[in-house]
Amino acid sequence: DVVMTQSPLSLPVTLGQPVSISCRSSQSLVYSDGNTYLDWLQQRPGQSPRRLIYKVSNRDSGVPDRFSGSGSGTDFTLKISRVEAEDVGVYYCMQLTHWPLTFGGGTKVEIK
Amino acid sequence: QVHLVESGGGVVQPGGSLRLSCAASGFTFSTYGMHWVRQAPGKGLEWVATVLYDGNNKYYADSVKGRSTISRDNSKNTLYLEMNSLRAEDAALYYCAKDSNKYAWGIDYWGQGTLVTVSS
Repeated sequence: DVVMTQSPLSLPVTLGQPVSISCRSSQSLVYSDGNTYLDWLQQRPGQSPRRLIYKVSNRDSGVPDRFSGSGSGTDFTLKISRVEAEDVGVYYCMQLTHWPLTFGGGTKVEIK
Repeated sequence: QVHLVESGGGVVQPGGSLRLSCAASGFTFSTYGMHWVRQAPGKGLEWVATVLYDGNNKYYADSVKGRSTISRDNSKNTLYLEMNSLRAEDAALYYCAKDSNKYAWGIDYWGQGTLVTVSS
C-alpha cells in the first residue's frame, strides 16, 4: 500500500500568516496516463471533508485563491498564503493513483 | 446541486450485519464512480470501498475485504455498503462520496455520514 506521510501533525498559526503542509508518498503517484492523482481535503470541525485541490495543483470551484498545491512524484505541498479564521480544521492529502486509495494522517491547523 | 444522503447506520453487536445506503441526487448517478470512506471517532479518514460507474468494477480495503460488499442501483440512484461480521474496529462515521469521473480520479462531493456503532 502507498503510505502517505503528512507533516507537521499540528500547526498553530497566527491569523494572516502563511502555512505550508507537506505530504510525502512511499511511491510515485504518477499514473500511467501521465496524471498525478493527489488531492488535498479540508475538514472543518464537525463537518464532512471538502476537496480543495485535485491532481496536485488544481483548485476546486469556490476555493479561495489563498490555497495552492504543488509538487510532483512523491513530494507534495499545500500552502495557505494568509490564514483566516475559517481555515481552522484538519487537512488531508489523498492519493488515487494506486489501489488501495490512501489518506495522509492529517494536519490540524489551529489559530494561536 | 449534488446531494448525498446516507442512512442505515446504528448500533450493532459484534458479529452482526448492517446495510448502509446512500441516496444521490443532483447529478447523473450512473456516470460517476462512488466511494465509501469512514472515520472512527477522533481519527483520520480511511477509504473503505469504491464502485465504478457501471457497477462492474469494485475495490475494497483489506480491512473490510471478504466481509463487505459495495453495490449500486443506477435505476434508483442509490449506493450501498453491506457489512457483515462487524468488529469493534468497524465503528465509525461512514461517508458516501462521489467521484469526479466514472472511474476513481478524485472525490468531489461528500455526504454527511451515517454512524455505525459496534457494541454488545
